Amino acid sequence: QKEVEQDPGPLSVPEGAIVSLNCTYSNSAFQYFMWYRQYSRKGPELLMYTYSSGNKEDGRFTAQVDKSSKYISLFIRDSQPSDSATYLCAMSLSNDYKLSFGAGTTVTVRA
Amino acid sequence: EAGVVQSPRYKIIEKKQPVAFWCNPISGHNTLYWYRQNLGQGPELLIRYENEEAVDDSQLPKDRFSAERLKGVDSTLKIQPAELGDSAVYLCASSLPGQGINGYTFGSGTRLTVV
Repeated sequence: QKEVEQDPGPLSVPEGAIVSLNCTYSNSAFQYFMWYRQYSRKGPELLMYTYSSGNKEDGRFTAQVDKSSKYISLFIRDSQPSDSATYLCAMSLSNDYKLSFGAGTTVTVRA
Repeated sequence: EAGVVQSPRYKIIEKKQPVAFWCNPISGHNTLYWYRQNLGQGPELLIRYENEEAVDDSQLPKDRFSAERLKGVDSTLKIQPAELGDSAVYLCASSLPGQGINGYTFGSGTRLTVV
């Protein structure tokens, strides 16, 4: 069993829809939870990160962490065609350590 | 700022041949990482450098992979000999000590195809 499991997708949604992405994990020692966006032929870029449990909002993006359930989510409101990319969840034991990634979910937002 | 620069962008080689990838991190970033991303998977850490020192190479297949970071700046990752299963994207990332996850920046990667 992998340390981080991510809903495989792919997802295809119409413009303006809410996109919901999810990951589960097995290592209860993870403290930092991240979401990365990766466009085709590019490296991952950090969207949001959260320390421990709770919610964090940044514009159209909301990240949720539930450590009791070992479950994290990313919501994209009012999705745009420019949001079409692969979204990777990642987790870390500390603030300066290796990242453990999920496999990624490819999202397509149709205009 | 140029970001993390990797070269080449693409490489096709025959199995059993050697190959090398080069990474130039963001200026001043002391920490450098090499990750491997297989098709349809997330990146997996191969090695982490703090300046010239490899502080975590536990996931590096040392029978065929080697890495170096001379003078604590540029880094080279080498595979010799390459196998079909080495086909993947090799990503380099860098960060400043103390910036942690917020300052983690990835390059665009080198896509290796072994035939």
